[in-house]
Amino acid sequence: SQLAEENSWALSVHEGESVTVNCSYKTSITALQWYRQKSGKGPAQLILIRSNEREKRNGRLRATLDTSSQSSSLSITATRCEDTAVYFCATGDTNAYKVIFGKGTHLHVLP
Amino acid sequence: EAAVTQSPRSKVAVTGGKVTLSCHQTNNHDYMYWYRQDTGHGLRLIHYSYVADSTEKGDIPDGYKASRPSQENFSLILELASLSQTAVYFCASRYTISAETLYFGSGTRLTVL
Repeated sequence: SQLAEENSWALSVHEGESVTVNCSYKTSITALQWYRQKSGKGPAQLILIRSNEREKRNGRLRATLDTSSQSSSLSITATRCEDTAVYFCATGDTNAYKVIFGKGTHLHVLP
Repeated sequence: EAAVTQSPRSKVAVTGGKVTLSCHQTNNHDYMYWYRQDTGHGLRLIHYSYVADSTEKGDIPDGYKASRPSQENFSLILELASLSQTAVYFCASRYTISAETLYFGSGTRLTVL
């Protein structure tokens, strides 16, 4: 079973709209990471939010963390076609060396 | 900027053959990882290493070996490639145990026929 898992397999929005990707996780964590993977590339980190933080922003991106419900969200405002990608959440395992990824949410931003 | 380079970018192998995927990082990072990506499964951890000359099993190590001959280099070895190992493989590095960010290479697309 996944330690961290996004709640949607795929989402579609039109350019300019906002979208939220949700993630749930199963263990106590020190931090949760959001990554974006564009076609043909490796994932790249967007935001790292620590367990003592409720919210973190990076430009048009906003991540939240709710440790009581073991969930996180990544919101993108004013979406652009170039935001089309797969979005992953990732957490550390009880073995701190391991970083475990969810299955990813495929986001399509339509013109 | 952190740099992780994988080679080859793509490879076609025959069933039962030996395949070696290579990864080189210039980040001076202690930790290196091999992940496999398949549609519907996301990224799954195969092997990782936190020091040269030592490797650890991840979540799906069966059928794979890893080698870390130096801090900079980390290889994934398929001794007897099988059809089920067709996938995209990603290498990643990480600075220290307290720095959670992974830096990924661009991936190797492996097709086993």
